[in-house]
Amino acid sequence: GQQLNQSPQSMFIQEGEDVSMNCTSSSIFNTWLWYKQDPGEGPVLLIALYKAGELTSNGRLTAQFGITRKDSFLNISASIPSDVGIYFCAGLIMYSGGGADGLTFGKGTHLIIQP
Amino acid sequence: DTEVTQTPKHLVMGMTNKKSLKCEQHMGHRAMYWYKQKAKKPPELMFVYSYEKLSINESVPSRFSPECPNSSLLNLHLHALQPEDSALYLCASSQTPDTYNSPLHFGNGTRLTVT
Repeated sequence: GQQLNQSPQSMFIQEGEDVSMNCTSSSIFNTWLWYKQDPGEGPVLLIALYKAGELTSNGRLTAQFGITRKDSFLNISASIPSDVGIYFCAGLIMYSGGGADGLTFGKGTHLIIQP
Repeated sequence: DTEVTQTPKHLVMGMTNKKSLKCEQHMGHRAMYWYKQKAKKPPELMFVYSYEKLSINESVPSRFSPECPNSSLLNLHLHALQPEDSALYLCASSQTPDTYNSPLHFGNGTRLTVT
């Protein structure tokens, strides 16, 4: 199956710093999604990307869909304590006959913020 | 608040028990999913229901039995589970299963412990 390589695996940063994480794959994806998961909760959708080269912002979050459709990055500006959590990238491949499997997830980036 | 509701939030069961996990959404979504998530790992797809019909079964053991009584409800029936089945079970839904711009929305999961 498809694999997503997400990096870094974990990040220890100071409050107020900017954060950058990315996902790459050898497969072409039709959709890239970024989720955040807090302990004891399900993943929450942050940003959805549908077009190659698309750059989308959601508050302090910015994500881009790579032009080759094989990668995406997520940036968080001026991090705050509530940004702590696990961030997952996820990709979706649509098949020519229609239909798709569920999402393929990256292994996650654990973000830890030191005050 | 999540728009996908899962009950119970926590479940402890013995290996000879029979129990069910429930998931409900009222967003009019026609695709529903079960994922299994181990601690600090990405979610792994188990089943996909498309228009109330099982469309994907990711080689899940028969001790897990999904059911979709109607377009708003998804159940996961559990029987004779093993301790290694202990995990967070996540339900998700999407508007349709066959359009690329239909991201998954997750519930908060059921934390299952098999003793």
